[in-house]
This record gives sequence, C-alpha cells and structure tokens, in this order.
Amino acid sequence: DAKTTQPPSMDCAEGRAANLPCNHSTISGNEYVYWYRQIHSQGPQYIIHGLKNNETNEMASLIITEDRKSSTLILPHATLRDTAVYYCIVKAYSGAGSYQLTFGKGTKLSVIP
Amino acid sequence: GAGVSQSPSNKVTEKGKDVELRCDPISGHTALYWYRQRLGQGLEFLIYFQGNSAPDKSGLPSDRFSAERTGESVSTLTIQRTQQEDSAVYLCASSLLASGDTQYFGPGTRLTVL
Repeated sequence: DAKTTQPPSMDCAEGRAANLPCNHSTISGNEYVYWYRQIHSQGPQYIIHGLKNNETNEMASLIITEDRKSSTLILPHATLRDTAVYYCIVKAYSGAGSYQLTFGKGTKLSVIP
Repeated sequence: GAGVSQSPSNKVTEKGKDVELRCDPISGHTALYWYRQRLGQGLEFLIYFQGNSAPDKSGLPSDRFSAERTGESVSTLTIQRTQQEDSAVYLCASSLLASGDTQYFGPGTRLTVL
C-alpha cells in the first residue's frame, strides 16, 4: 500500500472549517484514500473514503486532486469534539489481497474554543 | 447490532496467565480484523478472517497468539502465557467487502499484564 504524508499537528478555531492535507504521491490506480480519526482512548472511527471523485457525507468532505497524488479532508464546522488524531490511509480493496489498514502517525487536530 | 462490540473493555492479568478477548462484529459483515495498539503507537495488524476462507495470520507476533472465528460471527483472540509486552489495546474491526470495504472498529479491550 502507498505511503502517506501528513502534518503532525494543526489547530483550528471552533466553528471554522478544518482542512487536513495528505500527500500520497505513489498511490496506485486501484488504491482508495480512506480517512479515519481516533479520539483519545477510543477505537478508530471511519470518516470517509474515495477513489478519484470528491466525496461528501454527514461528517466531512474529501477532495482528491485530479492526479490523485494528494487529498484534503474538510470538516466544515469544527467543534471541540472533533479534537482527535486524523489518519489518511491509502489501501487497495481487500479483494486485491490488501487486508490491513496501515495507520501512520496522522495529524493531531486541536480545535480551539 | 449497531456496531462492533468487544469484551471485556479492560483486562488486568498476571504474567504467565492466558487471556481470551471477544469480538462481536456488525451483523452480516463477512470480514473481521484484529489489531493491537501499544501506548502512543500506531495500529499493528494481527489477523484477518474472511468468510470460510483460511485466515491471514501473518501479523500474529508469536505462537502464543491465536484467534478463532465461528462462521461469520463472534471471534476470540487468545493470548497464552501473557508477557508484559503484550500490554496494549486490542482492537477488532469488521467490514462488508461488497460495500466499500470500510472497516468499522470496536472500542477495544485494554489489556494490562502485571
């Protein structure tokens, strides 16, 4: 699975949009971009994933560049409960023999009141 | 159920004892994964079950670790002769491969080996 690069930490003011970048320049054509977050002492929580089109759900939006070498997770109105470590993961479908999620160090997002 | 559940939530044991950790996946999810997360570290893949196929045990750190799954339901992770370095949070996840392959995690079991 392709490696990802994320900034180690970011701050965001409460109520503002949080934009978390991720570089995955070696991504393959069959690899998806997944975003998870882990709030202290809890299991990882799925946020969103995509292949090449931008995606939006009730939690966030995912913007993937046309060359697929980078992406941005957008939390439109950050709240204090969004303070967590955010992980960008690139992985092929399990049907292609790629089972495990490989979590890097992620970005520690701190939402400031 | 509504999500992946794990039990117990916390387990304290003495070095050398055996422990069993349980995972109840989301109903209908065919794939089940175990991971381990040591304090301040990332997740380590342990084992993967998919339907009736042979599990992928490539992540198990030693032969003291084993896991079973009954059909497409409950899984148990067993650690024999526990060591202090086994102390960690053990996380279970499940997914429905036909639907985006997204893994949904349980709350984990925090294992402390004294």
